[in-house]
Amino acid sequence: AQSVAQPEDQVNVAEGNPLTVKCTYSVSGNPYLFWYVQYPNRGLQFLLKYITGDNLVKGSYGFEAEFNKSQTSFHLKKPSALVSDSALYFCAVRDATSGTYKYIFGTGTRLKVLA
Amino acid sequence: NAGVTQTPKFQVLKTGQSMTLQCAQDMNHNSMYWYRQDPGMGLRLIYYSASEGTTDKGEVPNGYNVSRLNKREFSLRLESAAPSQTSVYFCASSQAWEAYEQYFGPGTRLTVT
Repeated sequence: AQSVAQPEDQVNVAEGNPLTVKCTYSVSGNPYLFWYVQYPNRGLQFLLKYITGDNLVKGSYGFEAEFNKSQTSFHLKKPSALVSDSALYFCAVRDATSGTYKYIFGTGTRLKVLA
Repeated sequence: NAGVTQTPKFQVLKTGQSMTLQCAQDMNHNSMYWYRQDPGMGLRLIYYSASEGTTDKGEVPNGYNVSRLNKREFSLRLESAAPSQTSVYFCASSQAWEAYEQYFGPGTRLTVT
């Protein structure tokens, strides 16, 4: 069965420190992986995706994520957090070999960057 | 470009009433989606339209119907609203359904009393 887990409901980090938001997944075949961010009272915004190729993916606003097939993880990272990064972050996965549309979103991780 | 627009932004219904949520995109995207967002549950897919003229059920389709009116517009209808349908509803679109990111509208906050 296809699934995605975001094990932390909330992550707190001091401004200027590196941040990591964790995501692990389970699919039968090859995964397509996405990160989205949601600011209060707004829709989700795309940050980055892994489809194939280089395991380190760079995205918007200085974020990056590393695809680790052996650990089935796709953690979101940023070298230096900003207060404006405070938001709700969602990981999503699709089984690329399933042949059908089935994107699964995680339950979200709230990132709080403290000044 | 406006991206993905949704109307209305807020709505309060009584149990048993019906309503249609409207969604339009101006990015010439082929695929469109309707999600609901509930606390602690992330986003769950209600229906999707892989391309103009096709619609398919998602994870939680019961109590909803959809219409892909044309390439731009994808509406969601609640025929007989129930309190369990209180949620925030998001419409999204993507260039295609396979490996492309989705663009989301601002959402409709629906309360059913």
